Amino acid sequence: GQNIDQPTEMTATEGAIVQINCTYQTSGFNGLFWYQQHAGEAPTFLSYNVLDGLEEKGRFSSFLSRSKGYSYLLLKELQMKDSASYLCAVRDISGGYNKLIFGAGTRLAVHP
Amino acid sequence: EPEVTQTPSHQVTQMGQEVILRCVPISNHLYFYWYRQILGQKVEFLVSFYNNEISEKSEIFDDQFSVERPDGSNFTLKIRSTKLEDSAMYFCASSDYRQVGNQPQHFGDGTRLSIL
Repeated sequence: GQNIDQPTEMTATEGAIVQINCTYQTSGFNGLFWYQQHAGEAPTFLSYNVLDGLEEKGRFSSFLSRSKGYSYLLLKELQMKDSASYLCAVRDISGGYNKLIFGAGTRLAVHP
Repeated sequence: EPEVTQTPSHQVTQMGQEVILRCVPISNHLYFYWYRQILGQKVEFLVSFYNNEISEKSEIFDDQFSVERPDGSNFTLKIRSTKLEDSAMYFCASSDYRQVGNQPQHFGDGTRLSIL
């Protein structure tokens, strides 16, 4: 089966660093994406990992360990506008084509 | 930056009525998708579309659902006879022809469908 787990909620302080974890079990893994979603809005692409290791993109970094079925998103120098849901999504090619399987999302609240 | 556009932003429909949700994918993209998100729940895959045919669909995408690319720019989702449980935000997404590498799916702003 397919299962993606991430914490439901997290809080952090402006200027701090926060790490959002994601564990997954899928049959046709072909990459892991992180999306940001503000309430009532579309998911917007943040980062992508297909090989093990760390990908850095400005204030955002994402890490992947395929053997452990584990990823994390690291947000540095937090700003109030970073308050949003962060969605972990696995690209699944078990059906022959690719679709995204999403986790339930982690709601991050950034406080002053 | 090019974007996926969806219309309408909000659709209110009586139960049992047909509804068509419209999407204009990014112009050089060849893979198209519909997802839905019931309020407070996770984003769920409905269907993917490539080369003018459905390439994959989920269990949610039953006979009441259909997709079409009526011309070179639009991509539509039709629900034939809506049910209360179809109330959700429906997102259209598209991705580049290159299916290797870091080619994300780009999402539209969604259509909020409310069934009364």
